[in-house]
Amino acid sequence: ETGVTQTPRHLVMGMTNKKSLKCEQHLGHNAMYWYKQSAKKPLELMFVYSLEERVENNSVPSRFSPECPNSSHLFLHLHTLQPEDSALYLCASSQDREMEPNYGYTFGSGTRLTVV
Amino acid sequence: AQKITQTQPGMFVQEKEAVTLDCTYDTSDPSYGLFWYKQPSSGEMIFLIYQGSYDQQNATEGRYSLNFQKARKSANLVISASQLGDSAMYFCAMREDEDNSNSGYALNFGKGTSLLVTP
Repeated sequence: ETGVTQTPRHLVMGMTNKKSLKCEQHLGHNAMYWYKQSAKKPLELMFVYSLEERVENNSVPSRFSPECPNSSHLFLHLHTLQPEDSALYLCASSQDREMEPNYGYTFGSGTRLTVV
Repeated sequence: AQKITQTQPGMFVQEKEAVTLDCTYDTSDPSYGLFWYKQPSSGEMIFLIYQGSYDQQNATEGRYSLNFQKARKSANLVISASQLGDSAMYFCAMREDEDNSNSGYALNFGKGTSLLVTP
């Protein structure tokens, strides 16, 4: 088990459903991220939270809504998704880069999302 | 424009041999960090090795070493004495450290190289 836990591991949802992905880190990190991994494409950064505040949003559609209630938890709320949103969603955490510049970001195992 | 380029979609290597996975990057930032990650079929991204742009020596971590050629903007991963468990996707990533940007928290990834180690 890694220090970053994602649930669920697999999710199948209809286009009209509302679901949430959960990420929890037990490493004392102060930054958390959502990445989307689609087949044959580089990982795409979706959201960055630092000290529980969103610091980056890479023009992600509003049908994806992140929430970071505290430094250990990160959610991704999903509603009215499209089939092209099917992908592996990876959560990651890191320490502040000024404190740990060479620290490898720690990823969770991901949620495999299928939109039908 | 793609910031990280991995030109090898797939590679084969025989067990116990060494293999080099290519990575080139594009940045105008003088301060940056380069990472390699391994992703087995389970999906988890596993951190392997890091190289800072100001590091004088090539990074090494056990069987992993990074061949850092700054002038050529390349950061190739060398895996020595390959093992069957090394079969996975390998991703090169870069962090740019612009002081006036939050991008220091973000990583740009390449498309990855699929490595298959054969007996």
